[in-house]
Amino acid sequence: AQSVSQHNHHVILSEAASLELGCNYSYGGTVNLFWYVQYPGQHLQLLLKYFSGDPLVKGIKGFEAEFIKSKFSFNLRKPSVQWSDTAEYFCAVNVGSGNTGKLIFGQGTTLQVKP
Amino acid sequence: NAGVTQTPKFQVLKTGQSMTLQCAQDMNHEYMSWYRQDPGMGLRLIHYSVGAGITDQGEVPNGYNVSRSTTEDFPLRLLSAAPSQTSVYFCASSPSNYGYTFGSGTRLTVV
Repeated sequence: AQSVSQHNHHVILSEAASLELGCNYSYGGTVNLFWYVQYPGQHLQLLLKYFSGDPLVKGIKGFEAEFIKSKFSFNLRKPSVQWSDTAEYFCAVNVGSGNTGKLIFGQGTTLQVKP
Repeated sequence: NAGVTQTPKFQVLKTGQSMTLQCAQDMNHEYMSWYRQDPGMGLRLIHYSVGAGITDQGEVPNGYNVSRSTTEDFPLRLLSAAPSQTSVYFCASSPSNYGYTFGSGTRLTVV
């Protein structure tokens, strides 16, 4: 079945550690990719998105992600995390060459950053 | 702009009751969607709409109805609530360039 998988369910890091969260999808063809963040008690906010072009995309708050088409992956990275990055992170995929309105999410990764 | 507004923020229903979760956006976005968020399962798409008068089913549509009579509003109806529908519900909207904006959510408990 078509799906979006986030392999890390719960990640615990110390401040200043580097972060990489995995995201894989099983859809063939054209996809548009997103990472969202949900801080405790808040709604989802867009971190970054990939539509086309440079596979390395930069988002807000120092986050970046790399699209590797051959691996069906879109991993999220940050060189040095802060306590304020504690949140839940969601990868999402829009399948198709245009906006189909059908954005499919992964299960989410909870990141806990220890001060 | 208010963005995406969801009401109510909290609701408790008895099994078998019906209710409508409201979602309104003031950004003239074409696309609107409803998701439910459950622990360990991420966000699952319930129904979505690509414009007024057009709706389609998502991943988990059973037990929910939607309609889109205007660009601004996209209500989600539970006709006969069940405990399995206890969840946090998010509405989202997007223009044609894919940037989805989410509402603040409705926490629904069915007892």
